[in-house]
Amino acid sequence: DAEITQSPRHKITETGRQVTLACHQTWNHNNMFWYRQDLGHGLRLIHYSYGVQDTNKGEVSDGYSVSRSNTEDLPLTLESAASSQTSVYFCASSEFRRNTEAFFGQGTRLTVV
Amino acid sequence: AQTVTQSQPEMSVQEAETVTLSCTYDTSESDYYLFWYKQPPSRQMILVIRQEAYKQQNATENRFSVNFQKAAKSFSLKISDSQLGDAAMYFCAYRSPPSQGGSEKLVFGKGMKLTVNP
Repeated sequence: DAEITQSPRHKITETGRQVTLACHQTWNHNNMFWYRQDLGHGLRLIHYSYGVQDTNKGEVSDGYSVSRSNTEDLPLTLESAASSQTSVYFCASSEFRRNTEAFFGQGTRLTVV
Repeated sequence: AQTVTQSQPEMSVQEAETVTLSCTYDTSESDYYLFWYKQPPSRQMILVIRQEAYKQQNATENRFSVNFQKAAKSFSLKISDSQLGDAAMYFCAYRSPPSQGGSEKLVFGKGMKLTVNP
């Protein structure tokens, strides 16, 4: 069965370190998204991509970057981790130009100490 | 930009009873899609129900149904015969029509925590 997986599920890192969260989907979806979830804020969009070599900033993109070198993967990089980036991160994918819902990974809980 | 508002941060319901979760949204688009997602303690985001704005008929999925009021920009979720497994965070989400070149990202509300009491 097709799926979308995130790794790691949990991570603790130190302030200032570079961190990369992985997202891999086997749906063959063109659209991929990264959200962060914080209490009282719901899910907020960090970055998104509509296809290979395409990346776009979301509403909370400062301090994050993504790159899309193939259809299956959209890694999220925190350039220099800050305590404000402690959060739960979700990756999602959906079909381009189709009326289908987005499918989500299991989430990554990141703690920056 | 589209916004989604869930004004009730928490609700509780007795098992077997009915509960309605509210959601309002703001958009200038005439065609769009609305979703309710459920997030149990496992953190997994699970699609509960979907509504296309061009359809007048309210969507239903077993015990879950929506009351879609397009003019009022309201999209409430009704859960009938509540079960303990319905306890979760519920998120309302908006998506632009994909066929018209609109943004395909989901815009979420802040969520609502539902407690089901035995």
